[in-house]
Amino acid sequence: GAGVSQSPRYKVTKRGQDVALRCDPISGHVSLYWYRQALGQGPEFLTYFNYEAQQDKSGLPNDRFSAERPEGSISTLTIQRTEQRDSAMYRCASSPGIDSYEQYFGPGTRLTVT
Amino acid sequence: GQNIDQPTEMTATEGAIVQINCTYQTSGFNGLFWYQQHAGEAPTFLSYNVLDGLEEKGRFSSFLSRSKGYSYLLLKELQMKDSASYLCAVREGTGGFKTIFGAGTRLFVKA
Repeated sequence: GAGVSQSPRYKVTKRGQDVALRCDPISGHVSLYWYRQALGQGPEFLTYFNYEAQQDKSGLPNDRFSAERPEGSISTLTIQRTEQRDSAMYRCASSPGIDSYEQYFGPGTRLTVT
Repeated sequence: GQNIDQPTEMTATEGAIVQINCTYQTSGFNGLFWYQQHAGEAPTFLSYNVLDGLEEKGRFSSFLSRSKGYSYLLLKELQMKDSASYLCAVREGTGGFKTIFGAGTRLFVKA
């Protein structure tokens, strides 16, 4: 079946612009995670959802970052007033159930802020 | 706070065995994971330990000691395709699912 998909795969934006990154999890997966990954580093936790409820957003760097999953499926990570330091790979992962441990990662969105 | 330590790089020979260590300090513990990540690709799940002991899955085994905050990933019969980064990750908290990843260990397998 289809895996986790993310769009766009690449995004170049000017400093100060808002961007919206989309994640389409595996169908039926309950949990959804957002991570940010710098080159040569492991994924950095941002936030996660069970169904439509945002369970933990402690990893969001500041209030310019927000995420939603209104119908418990597709999720959007929004970054307002982008800064150059926001440039990174943004990865989404989904998991079948609340108690499931395996996370299935998407291909990521490479964000470049110029 | 949370801290996960693993070696930055390791080199091993094709056909050999390699052990990648991971130590962690987290606020609460709800499982430890190992993921494999090839360059330019997404991480893929390898193993999960929540109780002390060894979990074996084919050529890969993972060990956990919760009292020591220590885990290792053992790769046997190394193949060139095993050249990748290996990420140690801890799910923290009681009943929570926030997952903290280490920086990863880059493994180079040489002929």
